[in-house]
Amino acid sequence: EVQLVESGGGLVQPGRSLRLSCAASGFTFDEYAMHWVRQAPGKGLEWVSGISWNSGNIGYADSVKGRFTISRDNAKNSLYLQMNGLRAEDMALYYCAKGGLAVAGLYDDAFDIWGQGTMVTVSS
Amino acid sequence: EIVLTQSPGTLSLSPGERATLSCRASQSVSSSYLAWYQQKPGQAPRLLIYGASSRVTGIPDRFSGSGSGTDFTLTISRLEPEDFAVYYCQQYGSSPPITFGQGTRLEIK
Repeated sequence: EVQLVESGGGLVQPGRSLRLSCAASGFTFDEYAMHWVRQAPGKGLEWVSGISWNSGNIGYADSVKGRFTISRDNAKNSLYLQMNGLRAEDMALYYCAKGGLAVAGLYDDAFDIWGQGTMVTVSS
Repeated sequence: EIVLTQSPGTLSLSPGERATLSCRASQSVSSSYLAWYQQKPGQAPRLLIYGASSRVTGIPDRFSGSGSGTDFTLTISRLEPEDFAVYYCQQYGSSPPITFGQGTRLEIK
């Protein structure tokens, strides 16, 4: 079964850091682009960041550029999001999502598999 | 950045009726890199349509996508009770950022 499981969310004070992880199984992880998408409570979807299958292409939303860093470890079938300088507006459910095409560009396909998300709460 | 505007914000229909959801882009979406997702309360989004009109395997054929350039449509031919949810369009060909529409809530009338 193809599966993505996020972890690492929690309550954090403004200005602090948090690292999210996404464990992948059931597919050849190192062939697919991976993304982080967030959803603030009661709001819509916002793309946060993406990384190509070989880490050769990385992209960020302007709202997180310079504060968040995406990475992946293909040997561990894992995706990460290092979040520094967290703000109240970063509070959201963070989803890990898989690109649909194998060995393709970062922006070449939609997201065909999603995890259930991990909640990040930013509050003092 | 390509801005996607979905209309209507809320659509109230009855089971068996036809639903037409619109997604308009602020500039042309390259190669019809436009997708549609369905999200039910407490669940992750589910991909329905990619490439503007290609249906994902396992998605019922009552769901169809059409359009090109800046105007795209998701049509649900005959609504089933399980179709009432929030629908998002997404463009992924413009890099970066990937953007989503604000969503259309499809509710039971």
